[in-house]
Amino acid sequence: DVVMTQTPVSLSVSLGGQVSISCRSSQSLVHNNGNTYLSWYLQKPGQSPQLLIYKVSNRFSGISDRFSGSGSGTDFTLKISRVEPDDLGVYYCGQGTQYPYTFGAGTKLELK
Amino acid sequence: QVQLQQSGAELVKPGSSVKMSCKASGYTFTSYYIYWIKQRPGQGLEWIGRIGPGSGDTNYNEKFKGKATFTVDKSSSTAYMQLSSLTPEDTAVYYCATGRGFDYWGQGVMVTVSS
Repeated sequence: DVVMTQTPVSLSVSLGGQVSISCRSSQSLVHNNGNTYLSWYLQKPGQSPQLLIYKVSNRFSGISDRFSGSGSGTDFTLKISRVEPDDLGVYYCGQGTQYPYTFGAGTKLELK
Repeated sequence: QVQLQQSGAELVKPGSSVKMSCKASGYTFTSYYIYWIKQRPGQGLEWIGRIGPGSGDTNYNEKFKGKATFTVDKSSSTAYMQLSSLTPEDTAVYYCATGRGFDYWGQGVMVTVSS
């Protein structure tokens, strides 16, 4: 299985600040069709996860441009700028390139 | 808008089975796979597998083969997942999701396995 390693485990941020979360995969996430199926999700307390970014850098419908994804191959980053209270929760990266689909262990974003 | 409405929480005994539902609305049911994901209390996300509502084709995470079984009812746009031979390790929230990937999620079903 592809192992997804997220760092850091937790992150403290001031409102209005900027943070980056790293996600590394144990194998390349480039699919045979040339696409890279790396996504980012946010799970707010008591809620279901929600999709933020798909295929590395594409924001899902309705997602603020304060969220940006980048990376390639095995190394990916989610950046959140001008952090707002509604951004707090656990962020997960996930890969959909190879079965079984797998997720990182999560990064908890908290207020400083 | 796309919505996935899941069935209610379940309290079940070890060794028993449970069947949960995921009713889709707001899109053509057969257009996207339905995915099932497990989240144990305080833990991360684990992909169980997927079913294509149009064809009925399935893909299971090897870890859940023999544990989970997916079915669909196209007439009601509802997907089902049955979990069998339940143990305390099956205590978790189970989500369904759909879209080109995990675009849209249901609210989850809390399954508690306890005697």
